[in-house]
Amino acid sequence: QKEVEQNSGPLSVPEGAIASLNCTYSDRGSQSFFWYRQYSGKSPELIMFIYSNGDKEDGRFTAQLNKASQYVSLLIRDSQPSDSATYLCAVNGGGGYNKLIFGAGTRLAVHP
Amino acid sequence: GAVVSQHPSRVICKSGTSVKIECRSLDFQATTMFWYRQFPKQSLMLMATSNEGSKATYEQGVEKDKFLINHASLTLSTLTVASAHPEDSSFYICSAAGGGSTDTQYFGPGTRLTVL
Repeated sequence: QKEVEQNSGPLSVPEGAIASLNCTYSDRGSQSFFWYRQYSGKSPELIMFIYSNGDKEDGRFTAQLNKASQYVSLLIRDSQPSDSATYLCAVNGGGGYNKLIFGAGTRLAVHP
Repeated sequence: GAVVSQHPSRVICKSGTSVKIECRSLDFQATTMFWYRQFPKQSLMLMATSNEGSKATYEQGVEKDKFLINHASLTLSTLTVASAHPEDSSFYICSAAGGGSTDTQYFGPGTRLTVL
């Protein structure tokens, strides 16, 4: 069974610090990787996706992918209290319908 | 771009009532739509995947006769919870894929269902 693993947290970081969120996946054939943010009581919103090994930067967010080690991470620079949320890692599960396999999420708490 | 809407945002109904939830992709054509359910403090659970004009594919353990999915067009999918019971109370979220990157899912705002 294809799995996506995340540390549930909470990960607590001070305001202005770098938050590092990690995710590992079991299916070596996975090609697409996504990070979503979910605030309490709300639906997930897409932060970014990454397909190739290496880093991809978008504003304060950097996604890092290492297919050989089967992990993907998300760095949040200059963390703000408004970044406090649950971060979901998702991996394309393959097959014809582009189903995503979601991790259980890591709860991030940024304290002033 | 890639906006998905859901209606209604909140439903409170009596046990035995059927409830219909609409999911629309507003600015792109969604080749595939997905329906999820999320209980408090739990992770997303995929219920079913649907493509326009095709029967939905349900995940193991999800009753297709209870959760009826219709994907009438490339911008509209509906989920009907038939004869809802209190244990069906949950946060139902749809997502749509097909805008820009074909496997990127964009989520609707969700529908909170409470069955009394």
